[in-house]
Amino acid sequence: TQLLEQSPQFLSIQEGENLTVYCNSSSVFSSLQWYRQEPGEGPVLLVTVVTGGEVKKLKRLTFQFGDARKDSSLHITAAQPGDTGLYLCAGEYRDQGAQKLVFGQGTRLTINP
Amino acid sequence: EPEVTQTPSHQVTQMGQEVILRCVPISNHLYFYWYRQILGQKVEFLVSFYNNEISEKSEIFDDQFSVERPDGSNFTLKIRSTKLEDSAMYFCASRTSRGEKLFFGSGTQLSVL
Repeated sequence: TQLLEQSPQFLSIQEGENLTVYCNSSSVFSSLQWYRQEPGEGPVLLVTVVTGGEVKKLKRLTFQFGDARKDSSLHITAAQPGDTGLYLCAGEYRDQGAQKLVFGQGTRLTINP
Repeated sequence: EPEVTQTPSHQVTQMGQEVILRCVPISNHLYFYWYRQILGQKVEFLVSFYNNEISEKSEIFDDQFSVERPDGSNFTLKIRSTKLEDSAMYFCASRTSRGEKLFFGSGTQLSVL
């Protein structure tokens, strides 16, 4: 099983600051997905990156896939209290013909007003 | 936007009892999944289901677990004899095809006493 390590696990910053969350692995993934999960809810897909070096933007959120497709980052500019939540990365890969999805342990982000 | 629906939202059961967790995937989706998330831990894959059969299962999905699509709309996860360590949030997910967006339900919180 391929593993994904997310860092930091917890992050608490002030409104207006910038932050970056990292998702790292020693393995290659065919795609990397970022989810946001609210308490008592299932993960909701934010973005999928597929190509090495790919950058996608979603308003103040910037997602990047590493050139070697082993890592990814989520950068939030001018964080808002509404960005508070659990952010999960998940990598998709093929293992003996089966398509698999493995999740990182998540980053719990708190934006203080 | 269409939703994956899960019932019940909370289930409390005694150790050794059987439980059935229910899911209604999005109607035109063909691939169905169960994941679980033990409190404070990663989202873990349990099983995938396609064309009325299990396409893949993890080591967690032992003989105590089974899945069924009894009709055209429901997708169920049965745990035959629950253990304390089965306590977790169980998420159902579905998608149209392997490369497409995965939609998660809001989960069933299972507590085994």
